[in-house]
Amino acid sequence: DAGVIQSPRHEVTEMGQEVTLRCKPISGHNSLFWYRQTMMRGLELLIYFNNNVPIDDSGMPEDRFSAKMPNASFSTLKIQPSEPRDSAVYFCASSLAGGQPQHFGDGTRLSIL
Amino acid sequence: GQQLNQSPQSMFIQEGEDVSMNCTSSSIFNTWLWYKQDPGEGPVLLIALYKAGELTSNGRLTAQFGITRKDSFLNISASIPSDVGIYFCAGSNNNDMRFGAGTRLTVKP
Repeated sequence: DAGVIQSPRHEVTEMGQEVTLRCKPISGHNSLFWYRQTMMRGLELLIYFNNNVPIDDSGMPEDRFSAKMPNASFSTLKIQPSEPRDSAVYFCASSLAGGQPQHFGDGTRLSIL
Repeated sequence: GQQLNQSPQSMFIQEGEDVSMNCTSSSIFNTWLWYKQDPGEGPVLLIALYKAGELTSNGRLTAQFGITRKDSFLNISASIPSDVGIYFCAGSNNNDMRFGAGTRLTVKP
């Protein structure tokens, strides 16, 4: 079975550029999560969706970050404009429903120069 | 937010030894989970625990959900080189999941 699929796997771009990260959750999963992982702060939840609706975006660091889920099989996390401190690994995860274990993609390693 | 204290931060052990790591919280969780992360990959679910006092095994791995609902431990028996990686505990209340800082395990052949 296909797991959570993220793209791109790596992204290197200059500060000020727009960055779009993509995620395809596991088919049939109703909840989708975006996390950021850094050495200093570990794994942090940015935002999550239930049935395509954003439920809690309190972890989104700034207005430069936005996330959408136009349908049950696709979500994007956008950073505009990007800054060097946004460099991190961004993970998408999905779960069957609230409270069920989350399954992670392999992440996007983002470097902002 | 809720803080999870995971210990130890790192472990260096000999192949064949048993390993124990734990996680504590100041708050109660309904679910405790343990994940393993290999370099360049996402965390992979090892064990999920749903009831206080629950003890669950997955091969050489055993995890327990503490009676107070504020802690959990993970044991790995007879470690092998492929056990190398970072182990994360996570506490969850519905969709609010918090992670520990991880335990980095090194196994020497």
